[in-house]
Amino acid sequence: GAGVSQSPSNKVTEKGKDVELRCDPISGHTALYWYRQSLGQGLEFLIYFQGNSAPDKSGLPSDRFSAERTGGSVSTLTIQRTQQEDSAVYLCASSSRGTGGNTIYFGEGSWLTVV
Amino acid sequence: EDKVVQSPLSLVVHEGDTVTLNCSYEVTNFRSLLWYKQEKKAPTFLFMLTSSGIEKKSGRLSSILDKKELFSILNITATQTGDSAVYLCAVFYPNAGGTSYGKLTFGQGTILTVHP
Repeated sequence: GAGVSQSPSNKVTEKGKDVELRCDPISGHTALYWYRQSLGQGLEFLIYFQGNSAPDKSGLPSDRFSAERTGGSVSTLTIQRTQQEDSAVYLCASSSRGTGGNTIYFGEGSWLTVV
Repeated sequence: EDKVVQSPLSLVVHEGDTVTLNCSYEVTNFRSLLWYKQEKKAPTFLFMLTSSGIEKKSGRLSSILDKKELFSILNITATQTGDSAVYLCAVFYPNAGGTSYGKLTFGQGTILTVHP
Protein backbone atom coordinates (compact mmCIF):
# COMPACT_ATOMS: atom_id res chain seq x y z
CA GLY A 1 0.00 0.00 0.00
CA ALA A 2 0.91 3.64 -0.29
CA GLY A 3 0.71 4.52 3.38
CA VAL A 4 1.84 3.23 6.75
CA SER A 5 -0.17 0.14 7.59
CA GLN A 6 -0.85 -1.07 11.11
CA SER A 7 -2.50 -4.18 12.45
CA PRO A 8 -4.63 -5.02 14.23
CA SER A 9 -6.69 -1.85 14.14
CA ASN A 10 -8.39 -2.85 17.37
CA LYS A 11 -7.32 -5.32 20.04
CA VAL A 12 -9.01 -6.22 23.29
CA THR A 13 -6.92 -8.34 25.62
CA GLU A 14 -7.07 -9.56 29.16
CA LYS A 15 -4.80 -8.12 31.78
CA GLY A 16 -1.61 -10.13 32.00
CA LYS A 17 -1.62 -11.35 28.41
CA ASP A 18 1.03 -10.42 25.86
CA VAL A 19 0.17 -8.50 22.70
CA GLU A 20 1.97 -7.82 19.45
CA LEU A 21 1.26 -4.83 17.26
CA ARG A 22 2.54 -4.70 13.70
CA CYS A 23 3.63 -1.82 11.49
CA ASP A 24 4.39 -1.87 7.77
CA PRO A 25 6.12 1.39 6.87
CA ILE A 26 6.00 3.14 3.56
CA SER A 27 8.26 1.35 1.12
CA GLY A 28 11.75 2.83 1.11
CA HIS A 29 11.37 4.68 4.40
CA THR A 30 14.36 3.96 6.58
CA ALA A 31 13.13 5.58 9.79
CA LEU A 32 10.29 4.09 11.82
CA TYR A 33 8.68 5.42 14.99
CA TRP A 34 6.26 4.14 17.60
CA TYR A 35 4.13 6.56 19.61
CA ARG A 36 1.41 5.98 22.18
CA GLN A 37 -1.64 8.18 22.66
CA SER A 38 -3.85 7.76 25.69
CA LEU A 39 -7.38 9.12 25.63
CA GLY A 40 -7.36 12.91 25.42
CA GLN A 41 -3.58 13.11 25.48
CA GLY A 42 -0.85 14.03 23.04
CA LEU A 43 1.49 11.54 21.45
CA GLU A 44 4.10 9.96 23.69
CA PHE A 45 7.31 8.83 22.00
CA LEU A 46 8.19 5.18 22.56
CA ILE A 47 10.96 4.02 20.22
CA TYR A 48 12.67 5.02 16.98
CA PHE A 49 14.53 2.95 14.39
CA GLN A 50 16.77 4.47 11.78
CA GLY A 51 18.40 2.27 9.20
CA ASN A 52 20.98 -0.03 10.74
CA SER A 53 21.66 2.20 13.72
CA ALA A 54 20.87 1.12 17.26
CA PRO A 55 17.27 2.06 18.04
CA ASP A 56 16.44 4.94 20.35
CA LYS A 57 14.50 3.18 23.11
CA SER A 58 14.43 6.14 25.47
CA GLY A 59 10.63 6.41 25.47
CA LEU A 60 9.73 2.84 26.39
CA PRO A 61 7.86 3.12 29.70
CA SER A 62 8.96 -0.21 31.20
CA ASP A 63 10.78 -3.42 30.40
CA ARG A 64 7.42 -4.96 29.48
CA PHE A 65 7.64 -3.01 26.24
CA SER A 66 9.94 -4.01 23.41
CA ALA A 67 10.11 -3.54 19.67
CA GLU A 68 12.02 -4.96 16.79
CA ARG A 69 12.37 -4.19 13.16
CA THR A 70 13.20 -7.01 10.83
CA GLY A 71 15.03 -6.49 7.57
CA GLY A 72 14.78 -2.75 7.89
CA SER A 73 11.07 -2.84 7.11
CA VAL A 74 8.26 -4.32 9.22
CA SER A 75 8.26 -3.57 12.93
CA THR A 76 6.55 -5.31 15.83
CA LEU A 77 5.83 -3.69 19.17
CA THR A 78 5.38 -6.24 21.95
CA ILE A 79 3.79 -5.55 25.29
CA GLN A 80 4.21 -8.30 27.84
CA ARG A 81 1.95 -8.90 30.82
CA THR A 82 -0.39 -6.10 29.76
CA GLN A 83 -1.83 -3.75 32.36
CA GLN A 84 -4.95 -1.60 32.17
CA GLU A 85 -2.83 1.54 31.93
CA ASP A 86 -1.44 0.20 28.65
CA SER A 87 -4.81 0.89 27.04
CA ALA A 88 -4.16 3.47 24.34
CA VAL A 89 -3.80 3.99 20.62
CA TYR A 90 -0.38 2.89 19.41
CA LEU A 91 0.68 4.89 16.36
CA CYS A 92 3.45 3.97 14.00
CA ALA A 93 5.10 6.43 11.63
CA SER A 94 7.80 6.20 9.01
CA SER A 95 10.03 8.71 7.36
CA SER A 96 12.32 9.18 4.44
CA ARG A 97 15.25 11.50 4.60
CA GLY A 98 13.84 14.96 5.08
CA THR A 99 14.75 18.39 6.19
CA GLY A 100 12.91 18.77 9.42
CA GLY A 101 10.19 16.30 10.17
CA ASN A 102 7.72 17.01 7.43
CA THR A 103 8.37 13.66 5.83
CA ILE A 104 7.03 11.72 8.82
CA TYR A 105 3.81 9.90 7.95
CA PHE A 106 1.55 8.22 10.48
CA GLY A 107 -0.50 5.06 10.26
CA GLU A 108 -4.09 4.79 11.48
CA GLY A 109 -2.98 3.23 14.74
CA SER A 110 -3.82 0.16 16.78
CA TRP A 111 -6.37 0.72 19.54
CA LEU A 112 -5.47 -1.48 22.48
CA THR A 113 -7.92 -2.09 25.30
CA VAL A 114 -6.79 -4.09 28.31
CA VAL A 115 -9.67 -5.45 30.39
CA GLU B 1 13.70 17.94 29.97
CA ASP B 2 12.33 18.81 26.53
CA LYS B 3 8.69 19.78 26.57
CA VAL B 4 5.96 21.16 24.36
CA VAL B 5 2.89 22.81 25.90
CA GLN B 6 -0.30 23.65 24.05
CA SER B 7 -3.12 25.92 25.08
CA PRO B 8 -6.00 25.94 25.42
CA LEU B 9 -6.56 22.23 25.96
CA SER B 10 -10.05 22.54 24.53
CA LEU B 11 -12.02 25.16 22.70
CA VAL B 12 -15.66 25.35 21.62
CA VAL B 13 -16.69 27.88 18.99
CA HIS B 14 -19.41 28.49 16.43
CA GLU B 15 -19.04 28.39 12.68
CA GLY B 16 -17.53 31.57 11.34
CA ASP B 17 -15.47 32.31 14.44
CA THR B 18 -11.70 32.78 14.30
CA VAL B 19 -9.54 30.73 16.65
CA THR B 20 -5.93 30.94 17.75
CA LEU B 21 -4.15 27.90 19.13
CA ASN B 22 -0.92 28.27 21.04
CA CYS B 23 2.17 26.15 21.34
CA SER B 24 5.23 26.88 23.49
CA TYR B 25 8.33 24.75 23.67
CA GLU B 26 11.53 24.18 25.54
CA VAL B 27 13.80 21.87 23.62
CA THR B 28 17.48 21.60 22.98
CA ASN B 29 18.77 21.47 19.44
CA PHE B 30 15.54 22.73 17.89
CA ARG B 31 15.16 22.14 14.16
CA SER B 32 11.51 22.75 13.30
CA LEU B 33 7.99 22.98 14.70
CA LEU B 34 5.13 21.12 13.09
CA TRP B 35 1.37 21.32 13.34
CA TYR B 36 -0.88 18.32 12.75
CA LYS B 37 -4.64 17.83 12.57
CA GLN B 38 -6.01 14.63 14.08
CA GLU B 39 -9.61 13.78 13.26
CA LYS B 40 -9.73 10.05 13.87
CA LYS B 41 -6.49 8.27 14.53
CA ALA B 42 -3.73 9.29 12.13
CA PRO B 43 -2.40 12.84 12.53
CA THR B 44 -2.19 14.62 9.21
CA PHE B 45 0.51 17.16 8.50
CA LEU B 46 -0.46 20.84 8.28
CA PHE B 47 2.64 23.01 8.51
CA MET B 48 6.33 22.92 9.23
CA LEU B 49 7.97 26.08 10.56
CA THR B 50 11.69 26.63 10.78
CA SER B 51 12.19 30.39 10.63
CA SER B 52 10.86 33.12 12.86
CA GLY B 53 8.30 35.58 11.57
CA ILE B 54 7.50 33.85 8.30
CA GLU B 55 3.83 33.00 8.08
CA LYS B 56 2.79 29.74 6.50
CA LYS B 57 -0.69 29.78 5.01
CA SER B 58 -3.04 27.21 3.60
CA GLY B 59 -6.56 28.35 2.89
CA ARG B 60 -8.15 29.45 6.14
CA LEU B 61 -5.26 28.13 8.23
CA SER B 62 -2.07 30.00 8.96
CA SER B 63 0.80 29.61 11.37
CA ILE B 64 3.84 31.52 12.52
CA LEU B 65 6.86 30.81 14.69
CA ASP B 66 8.71 33.00 17.19
CA LYS B 67 12.09 31.39 17.94
CA LYS B 68 13.06 34.11 20.39
CA GLU B 69 10.02 33.65 22.61
CA LEU B 70 9.81 29.92 21.79
CA PHE B 71 6.23 29.67 20.67
CA SER B 72 4.02 29.23 17.67
CA ILE B 73 0.39 29.99 16.91
CA LEU B 74 -2.05 28.34 14.56
CA ASN B 75 -4.91 30.52 13.33
CA ILE B 76 -8.09 29.28 11.74
CA THR B 77 -10.41 31.89 10.27
CA ALA B 78 -14.09 31.46 9.38
CA THR B 79 -14.19 28.11 11.14
CA GLN B 80 -16.35 25.29 9.80
CA THR B 81 -17.69 22.15 11.46
CA GLY B 82 -15.12 20.19 9.47
CA ASP B 83 -12.38 21.95 11.40
CA SER B 84 -13.42 20.06 14.53
CA ALA B 85 -10.42 17.94 15.48
CA VAL B 86 -7.46 17.67 17.81
CA TYR B 87 -4.66 19.99 16.75
CA LEU B 88 -1.21 18.78 17.70
CA CYS B 89 1.99 20.75 17.88
CA ALA B 90 5.32 18.93 17.74
CA VAL B 91 8.95 19.92 17.77
CA PHE B 92 11.42 18.05 15.60
CA TYR B 93 15.00 17.77 16.65
CA PRO B 94 17.59 15.87 14.69
CA ASN B 95 19.87 13.07 15.69
CA ALA B 96 23.25 13.93 17.07
CA GLY B 97 25.46 14.94 14.21
CA GLY B 98 22.80 17.06 12.58
CA THR B 99 21.34 14.48 10.25
CA SER B 100 18.01 14.88 8.57
CA TYR B 101 16.58 12.15 10.78
CA GLY B 102 15.32 12.80 14.24
CA LYS B 103 12.18 12.54 16.30
CA LEU B 104 9.11 14.53 17.26
CA THR B 105 8.10 15.60 20.74
CA PHE B 106 4.39 16.39 20.90
CA GLY B 107 2.29 18.66 23.01
CA GLN B 108 -0.90 17.38 24.60
CA GLY B 109 -3.08 18.78 21.84
CA THR B 110 -5.97 21.22 21.63
CA ILE B 111 -9.44 19.77 21.11
CA LEU B 112 -11.37 22.14 18.84
CA THR B 113 -15.13 21.76 18.52
CA VAL B 114 -16.96 23.89 15.98
CA HIS B 115 -20.74 24.03 16.35
CA PRO B 116 -23.04 24.89 13.42
